[in-house]
Amino acid sequence: NAGVTQTPKFRILKIGQSMTLQCAQDMNHNYMYWYRQDPGMGLKLIYYSVGAGITDKGEVPNGYNVSRSTTEDFPLRLELAAPSQTSVYFCASSYSGISTDTQYFGPGTRLTVL
Amino acid sequence: TQLLEQSPQFLSIQEGENLTVYCNSSSVFSSLQWYRQEPGEGPVLLVTVVTGGEVKKLKRLTFQFGDARKDSSLHITAAQPGDTGLYLCAGARSNDYKLSFGAGTTVTVRA
Repeated sequence: NAGVTQTPKFRILKIGQSMTLQCAQDMNHNYMYWYRQDPGMGLKLIYYSVGAGITDKGEVPNGYNVSRSTTEDFPLRLELAAPSQTSVYFCASSYSGISTDTQYFGPGTRLTVL
Repeated sequence: TQLLEQSPQFLSIQEGENLTVYCNSSSVFSSLQWYRQEPGEGPVLLVTVVTGGEVKKLKRLTFQFGDARKDSSLHITAAQPGDTGLYLCAGARSNDYKLSFGAGTTVTVRA
């Protein structure tokens, strides 16, 4: 199993541009998550999904959108990129939503908005 | 304001020394997890603790969940360079399975 994969690894955007961060998992997990990680701030939950067709906002959803058309894929869309969205983005998945379940993380996408 | 406060923020020690990392909150958690993250990679789960006062050992790593389930600690005995990384605690409150992460402790073990 590849686990959780993310593309691209790095990206530089200009202010106002849009892009989609791709995330896929091959573990047949129902739950998927998008986090952003900023220095000294830990990981903040952006959006999550409990299954195909179902998504919900996390702690910091403004400026982002998601969709979940299949169990495997959970893309994160940035519209009108802003410097405040410069961060490292991690996608994660888990089999269930119970608090003791393991979340498996992808390798991350480092995004810079100039 | 972080729901989970980790201390210290940075820790640099010599190989063979012991270290302790703390994770504190004013909130009660139904469970708490510790992750380790290496540069350029995503976090990897080390352990989950669920019972107040619980102690779990993973080789040279000892994890403890506070009696009141508001805090946790990670102790590494005889640290090795391979223990170098960012250690993150993450908690789930009883009515919310979504994780809240601490800011992390960067541990550097010098050979």
